[in-house]
Amino acid sequence: SQQGEEDPQALSIQEGENATMNCSYKTSINNLQWYRQNSGRGLVHLILIRSNEREKHSGRLRVTLDTSKKSSSLLITASRAADTASYFCATPNAGGTSYGKLTFGQGTILTVHP
Amino acid sequence: NAGVMQNPRHLVRRRGQEARLRCSPMKGHSHVYWYRQLPEEGLKFMVYLQKENIIDESGMPKERFSAEFPKEGPSILRIQQVVRGDSAAYFCASSPGGTGRWETQYFGPGTRLLVL
Repeated sequence: SQQGEEDPQALSIQEGENATMNCSYKTSINNLQWYRQNSGRGLVHLILIRSNEREKHSGRLRVTLDTSKKSSSLLITASRAADTASYFCATPNAGGTSYGKLTFGQGTILTVHP
Repeated sequence: NAGVMQNPRHLVRRRGQEARLRCSPMKGHSHVYWYRQLPEEGLKFMVYLQKENIIDESGMPKERFSAEFPKEGPSILRIQQVVRGDSAAYFCASSPGGTGRWETQYFGPGTRLLVL
């Protein structure tokens, strides 16, 4: 399986509920990033968590990172219909000259019903 | 400060034609990345360029695909003799470059290529 796999593949919730998405990766990382993609649009960077951090908050977003389990989770609290989108985790290449190269997971499709 | 610009947003080509996709990075960004997204899939890295240099093209198909980022002007992803399997969304991203500043990539809206 590939670096950066999310689960679930799809998540459907009601407005106001919390949404949790998980990501697993295989190689050692310097940081892990989460992106959002609205249907037919480009990606928007949400949050970056470094390998020496365990938890990070940004507004309604909470990201955790467990390097021992090689996993991360993205929690969106008090979801809104506007949060409906695909969410991807991405990890940069660990070293060498191409450390900027991002490897993306398959994504979680989140649907928030009004 | 305009974001990453890509054009065209939609491109239709017939099999065997050439597709040229353009990307203008954010102002002050010297690193450009191209990614391809097939339907219902995540993004796959294609190539990483700095001004006038290809840093990593490990994700580029060996034939028909090429990329450049000239000293002046946008980065170009060129696909020669397109085939139906090239139909996808192609995203460009840019980053400032420099130690510690490469981590966040800013994405453009993408070019959706349809090969008939």
